Amino acid sequence: GIQVEQSPPDLILQEGANSTLRCNFSDSVNNLQWFHQNPWGQLINLFYIPSGTKQNGRLSATTVATERYSLLYISSSQTTDSGVYFCAGLSSNTGKLIFGQGTTLQVKP
Amino acid sequence: DTEVTQTPKHLVMGMTNKKSLKCEQHMGHRAMYWYKQKAKKPPELMFVYSYEKLSINESVPSRFSPECPNSSLLNLHLHALQPEDSALYLCASSIRDTYEQFFGPGTRLTVL
Repeated sequence: GIQVEQSPPDLILQEGANSTLRCNFSDSVNNLQWFHQNPWGQLINLFYIPSGTKQNGRLSATTVATERYSLLYISSSQTTDSGVYFCAGLSSNTGKLIFGQGTTLQVKP
Repeated sequence: DTEVTQTPKHLVMGMTNKKSLKCEQHMGHRAMYWYKQKAKKPPELMFVYSYEKLSINESVPSRFSPECPNSSLLNLHLHALQPEDSALYLCASSIRDTYEQFFGPGTRLTVL
């Protein structure tokens, strides 16, 4: 089955809007990370969040490990938030970081 | 210093060339990784080094040859590549191989 699944695949927002990105993960996946890949290709660490809630400025994330999902909240979005957001988790079977397919976010001015 | 650096940023090479990609970190991390990323896809793992020893090789063709000379440095030697090898090559590191990974800015490789 699918190990890490993200939704929605694409999202278009007006500047200033809020959004929620979701990541579902299998029983064999843990130690969730959220990344933002900017238009130049750099993968920027947003959160390392095996469980619980963390906040960093306009971004926050919650992982409910018992229910196998994680949420990334973006508030008051800015055009610089555009890019691809990946969640990834560590497979307990292989020790590898398993990526979701990503959510492509476009924030319009 | 919480940074992973990669050089060069861009590389164009012919199919008969030999080139190398370099990755460096000074965070004291003991696990280092090479990933390959094609457009509109997530990164795909190629190699993992743990304590300077190759621990995972994802059945990567031998035209890609990794090397870990010391705990801070990771190289990827390229030889006789194919045009389909054109991609973004990302290096990452973590304290150990089950911990949070940090990525470098990548090398965008074009094979002509």
